[in-house]
Amino acid sequence: ETGVTQTPRHLVMGMTNKKSLKCEQHLGHNAMYWYKQSAKKPLELMFVYNFKEQTENNSVPSRFSPECPNSSHLFLHLHTLQPEDSALYLCASSQVAEGSMTFFGQGTRLTVV
Amino acid sequence: QKEVEQNSGPLSVPEGAIASLNCTYSDRGSQSFFWYRQYSGKSPELIMFIYSNGDKEDGRFTAQLNKASQYVSLLIRDSQPSDSATYLCAVPLTGNQFYFGTGTSLTVIP
Repeated sequence: ETGVTQTPRHLVMGMTNKKSLKCEQHLGHNAMYWYKQSAKKPLELMFVYNFKEQTENNSVPSRFSPECPNSSHLFLHLHTLQPEDSALYLCASSQVAEGSMTFFGQGTRLTVV
Repeated sequence: QKEVEQNSGPLSVPEGAIASLNCTYSDRGSQSFFWYRQYSGKSPELIMFIYSNGDKEDGRFTAQLNKASQYVSLLIRDSQPSDSATYLCAVPLTGNQFYFGTGTSLTVIP
């Protein structure tokens, strides 16, 4: 069992659909993150949750809505997405400490049609 | 200036050679530095971290840090085709948040 698990691995959705991405970590970490990875661009940090409290929202459009019910689970709710939102969405976790090692899930490859 | 800069490559080296990957960062206060490897279609995998100036060796990998020059590098000795991947440099911004470079694509030619 991997330390950070994401589901689904692949998702195709229409612009009017609502879907959710799920992430679970088994590493005992207390910080979780959502990143977006688009072709030819650096990993973009979207949301940060420390001790299940959101601490960062890096100017992410409201069509992306995160939820963190506890330190082990993280969701990203998606609605009315645009084709340019197609990307690899990565969940990650770490300890809440400066410079802590961050571990990534396998990612969800999202295609918006 | 970008917070973390890497040459996007592609970098090609023959099997058995040394691959040298470079990264510069803008925040002089950065204290820790990480290298991730990402195979095509996969998620980033942590392979090295370094906190102190100088070299840190782990098997075929050596991380080199020069804080005065704001420069961190990754050397891969005896490169293998299985090392072909994109290598991401990561530097903490504040607390537990990271800036990632765009990554350097490495191809090891058999």
